[in-house]
Amino acid sequence: GAGVSQSPRYKVAKRGQDVALRCDPISGHVSLFWYQQALGQGPEFLTYFQNEAQLDKSGLPSDRFFAERPEGSVSTLKIQRTQQEDSAVYLCASSPRRDRFLGEQFFGPGTRLTVL
Amino acid sequence: AQTVTQSQPEMSVQEAETVTLSCTYDTSESDYYLFWYKQPPSRQMILVIRQEAYKQQNATENRFSVNFQKAAKSFSLKISDSQLGDAAMYFCAYRSAVSNTGKLIFGQGTTLQVKP
Repeated sequence: GAGVSQSPRYKVAKRGQDVALRCDPISGHVSLFWYQQALGQGPEFLTYFQNEAQLDKSGLPSDRFFAERPEGSVSTLKIQRTQQEDSAVYLCASSPRRDRFLGEQFFGPGTRLTVL
Repeated sequence: AQTVTQSQPEMSVQEAETVTLSCTYDTSESDYYLFWYKQPPSRQMILVIRQEAYKQQNATENRFSVNFQKAAKSFSLKISDSQLGDAAMYFCAYRSAVSNTGKLIFGQGTTLQVKP
């Protein structure tokens, strides 16, 4: 079956532009995560959804970052008024379970965002 | 807060030989999960191996095995019979068994080079 997909794979934005990054999780996966990975670093947690509910957004770096998953499947990460420090790869991951013994997280290929 | 540290930014190994990647972590929790993820240059993160903290037996997956030292908070990955396809960035990650979000906390990563 299809894995996690993300689009676009690459995005170049001018400073101050708004961007929207899409994640299509594996069908039927309940849990969805967004991570931010700076160049040469490990991913850092941004936010977590269980179905359509955003249960943890403690990792979002500022109020310019907003995520949604309105129907419990596709998710969008939106960044308003992009800044150069937002340049990173944004990874999406999904997991089939929702209880505290969450299953393996399956990662997408990421979206590389470059802010000029 | 939990932290994960990988002190080896780069490692190299000769094909067919064995290499060990180090990872230490800090937590006050007694129940948690530890993971090693592989990220090839294409950037799709793949789970290599996982360890439940309550299990004393070290996990093994074919050529991959871990040395889990709970008291020392150490979790190293051993790759035996290294292959060219093992070349990638490797991340150690921690997940709380108490928190309901299931977010992963990653180390900084170790780039593994495999020499033919």
